[in-house]
Amino acid sequence: DVKVTQSSRYLVKRTGEKVFLECVQDMDHENMFWYRQDPGLGLRLIYFSYDVKMKEKGDIPEGYSVSREKKERFSLILESASTNQTSMYLCASTHGTAYNSPLHFGNGTRLTVT
Amino acid sequence: AQSVTQPDIHITVSEGASLELRCNYSYGATPYLFWYVQSPGQGLQLLLKYFSGDTLVQGIKGFEAEFKRSQSSFNLRKPSVHWSDAAEYFCAVGAGSNYQLIWGAGTKLIIKP
Repeated sequence: DVKVTQSSRYLVKRTGEKVFLECVQDMDHENMFWYRQDPGLGLRLIYFSYDVKMKEKGDIPEGYSVSREKKERFSLILESASTNQTSMYLCASTHGTAYNSPLHFGNGTRLTVT
Repeated sequence: AQSVTQPDIHITVSEGASLELRCNYSYGATPYLFWYVQSPGQGLQLLLKYFSGDTLVQGIKGFEAEFKRSQSSFNLRKPSVHWSDAAEYFCAVGAGSNYQLIWGAGTKLIIKP
């Protein structure tokens, strides 16, 4: 089974801190994604990557950046955390596109910014 | 712009009863349609998908969904729910050239014993 591992289940950070959310997948998937999940809003795509060192902005990239130095690892960076970034963050990966291959999700990181 | 609507935020169903979760989309052509489930503390998992062909698709865990073009709907059904079906269910649409999904807000399913 594909395993997508997010390094932290819960994280509490202070406003202005730099925050790193890490995601690792073990199935050699080309495509990796970071989503934000908020009640009543579903999932919104922050960034995705289709190859090492390649990245594309999703629907809500403001305030975030990403890094993909190795195929299996995709990091989400909050350069200066703000309270409106308190949310559940989901990492996913897939082989091929999200249309023809299922997205495999991690269990999520619940980030609280105080 | 494409959009996905799940009109029910919460649905409560008795164990053993039938279930229907609604999903409506807005798109000019036939989109790619998906249902994912998020069990408590777990990552989302694909239940089923529709691309073309037979409009009634079968998925895992005994779920099925029917695509109705005239109603722009892709409702999820299960004839008899089990307590383990308590979860949040997301409908998603793939309808652009960037191969990204647009997600509904989710429907939380509560099972009454």
